[in-house]
Amino acid sequence: AQRVTQPEKLLSVFKGAPVELKCNYSYSGSPELFWYVQYSRQRLQLLLRHISRESIKGFTADLNKGETSFHLKKPFAQEEDSAMYYCALSGISTNAGKSTFGDGTTLTVKP
Amino acid sequence: EAGVAQSPRYKIIEKRQSVAFWCNPISGHATLYWYQQILGQGPKLLIQFQNNGVVDDSQLPKDRFSAERLKGVDSTLKIQPAKLEDSAVYLCASSPRRDTEAFFGQGTRLTVV
Repeated sequence: AQRVTQPEKLLSVFKGAPVELKCNYSYSGSPELFWYVQYSRQRLQLLLRHISRESIKGFTADLNKGETSFHLKKPFAQEEDSAMYYCALSGISTNAGKSTFGDGTTLTVKP
Repeated sequence: EAGVAQSPRYKIIEKRQSVAFWCNPISGHATLYWYQQILGQGPKLLIQFQNNGVVDDSQLPKDRFSAERLKGVDSTLKIQPAKLEDSAVYLCASSPRRDTEAFFGQGTRLTVV
């Protein structure tokens, strides 16, 4: 069964500090991995996906198939990064392409 | 482009009553998802449509939940009868294909009392 684990419910850093939000997954196949973000009073939206290999708002995420991880990183956190972050997996090797989300990490960036 | 529309935004019902949620996806998106998000948890996929066919409903409690997507566009999710543990936010999302980014609606917050 596919699963996404985000071990930290809450993460708090000071502005300008590096931040890493952890995501581990289990899936027997080639996963499509995503990070979604939900800012206060806004809808859930895509932050980035591993296949695009791009940096969005200074965030990057590298897929490590050996460690089955897809951690989200930013070298210098900003107050506007405070939000709820969800890691998600889509099993593209199955007919269903089933979507699975982690339970999320609330990031607070303090001034 | 217009986003995914959901209604109602909020609903309070008594247990054993019925409730229905409506979703209008982004035009042209073939894949439509319904998620249940209980407080403190991530979204859990209930059902996934590809056009008007169901491709995954393994986590849908079929004894009380039903969903349909008529003509491959709008979708409704129904709960009958509701239980206290159904209190959650119900999210609808759509995507151009099943392995691409999902665009989410604002969600419907259901409270069962």
